[in-house]
Amino acid sequence: QQQVKQSPQSLIVQKGGISIINCAYENTAFDYFPWYQQFPGKGPALLIAIRPDVSEKKEGRFTISFNKSAKQFSLHIMDSQPGDSATYFCAASMSTYGGSQGNLIFGKGTKLSVKP
Amino acid sequence: DGGITQSPKYLFRKEGQNVTLSCEQNLNHDAMYWYRQDPGQGLRLIYYSQIVNDFQKGDIAEGYSVSREKKESFPLTVTSAQKNPTAFYLCASSIAPGGREQYFGPGTRLTVT
Repeated sequence: QQQVKQSPQSLIVQKGGISIINCAYENTAFDYFPWYQQFPGKGPALLIAIRPDVSEKKEGRFTISFNKSAKQFSLHIMDSQPGDSATYFCAASMSTYGGSQGNLIFGKGTKLSVKP
Repeated sequence: DGGITQSPKYLFRKEGQNVTLSCEQNLNHDAMYWYRQDPGQGLRLIYYSQIVNDFQKGDIAEGYSVSREKKESFPLTVTSAQKNPTAFYLCASSIAPGGREQYFGPGTRLTVT
C-alpha cells in the first residue's frame, strides 16, 4: 500500500531554533514531494516542493532535504518564529498523467508550536 | 482575485439528512478534489475529477457523491449513508490532472448530530 509516514506528530521549538519534520515513503516511483502548511481553521497552503533529482531545495527559511536511497525527505525551518506555529503535511505523488497514481498521498501531519 | 471558495464555513445538520457542500474555483483549473480531514488522520481523498463530466472515487468515497457539470464547480453531497460525517472538508484544484501543486479552499466544517 502506498504510504507516506510522517514524524513527529507534534513538535515544540523555541523561537529562533530549528524545526525538523521527517517523512518516509515506500514507493520508489514517487517523484514529487511537496510540503503544505495549515493554520487552524484554514485550508493547507503549498509551502515548498522537491523532485528527486536534487538533494536539497531552499526557499527563505524553509529547506527540504531529500535522501533518495533512504526514501526519506525532511522539512527544516530555520530561525523558527511563533508565526510558523501550524500543522505541516508532507505528501508524495508520481508523474502518471491522469489516473489515480498522480494523486497526492499525504502524511498525517505534524503540529508545530514555536514558543516565544 | 483568483482562488477557491467553499461555502458555508460551518454547517450543521441532523443525522439522516443529506447535505451538499459547495466548491467553486476561478483558477481555470482542470482537476478538482475533495478531501476529508479528521484530527490526527491527515487528508484523505474522497473524490476527484480530472475533467468536466468525469469523476473518480478516492480512498473513502462511501457515503459521498459528487458532480462536475461545470469546470468551475465541484459540489460534494454527504449522504445519510455516511456513518461518521462530522469532519472538516477541503476542496482543492490543480491546473492539470495528476494532482501536482494542488491549491486548497478554506474548508467547510460539517457537524452532524
